[in-house]
Amino acid sequence: DSGVTQTPKHLITATGQRVTLRCSPRSGDLSVYWYQQSLDQGLQFLIQYYNGEERAKGNILERFSAQQFPDLHSELNLSSLELGDSALYFCASSVASDEQFFGPGTRLTVL
Amino acid sequence: AQSVTQPDIHITVSEGASLELRCNYSYGATPYLFWYVQSPGQGLQLLLKYFSGDTLVQGIKGFEAEFKRSQSSFNLRKPSVHWSDAAEYFCAVGAAWAASWVGGYQKVTFGTGTKLQVIP
Repeated sequence: DSGVTQTPKHLITATGQRVTLRCSPRSGDLSVYWYQQSLDQGLQFLIQYYNGEERAKGNILERFSAQQFPDLHSELNLSSLELGDSALYFCASSVASDEQFFGPGTRLTVL
Repeated sequence: AQSVTQPDIHITVSEGASLELRCNYSYGATPYLFWYVQSPGQGLQLLLKYFSGDTLVQGIKGFEAEFKRSQSSFNLRKPSVHWSDAAEYFCAVGAAWAASWVGGYQKVTFGTGTKLQVIP
């Protein structure tokens, strides 16, 4: 158990819908990272937050957005969902800029 | 731009045999290197990391990796594989200058992974 929690574990929805994925980092970790893992794209970095502020952006689509709240939990919002958005979404947290601790992931299925 | 290549998509080894998973990186400065393992249905777990010092790094679960700057490689090894080692393994590279920088941006690039199958 990494100490990072993600909810829900599984999510099934339809194209065009909007979903919110939630992440609670390890106690004391101020950085939160979001990744997308799909069979064809591998593990892709989406976005990083540090203490409520966006720190870096990776391959995140405009339909996706994220935020980190004062209690340090983070949410990833995915809208206008397409079939190709079906993937595992991981959250990771870290204290400093080195080792990241990954959550168990949320499996999103878009039908 | 930094990049990581894991040339083997899938490897099969017999239980008790030795294992070496290959990783080659591209980075313009001193890299910060990681190996993560992902068991089915799980998140990624750090096996080991290299930042500086001894180029042979020991990790958890009996794994070790050797940093070879001249070959831009960071191969993962285990002398005797157990059935429970069946998983997917990811090599990753980051910027050593940002290591341990609290609040900093550390772009970590992951390889495409190597799936390890262990046969009896």
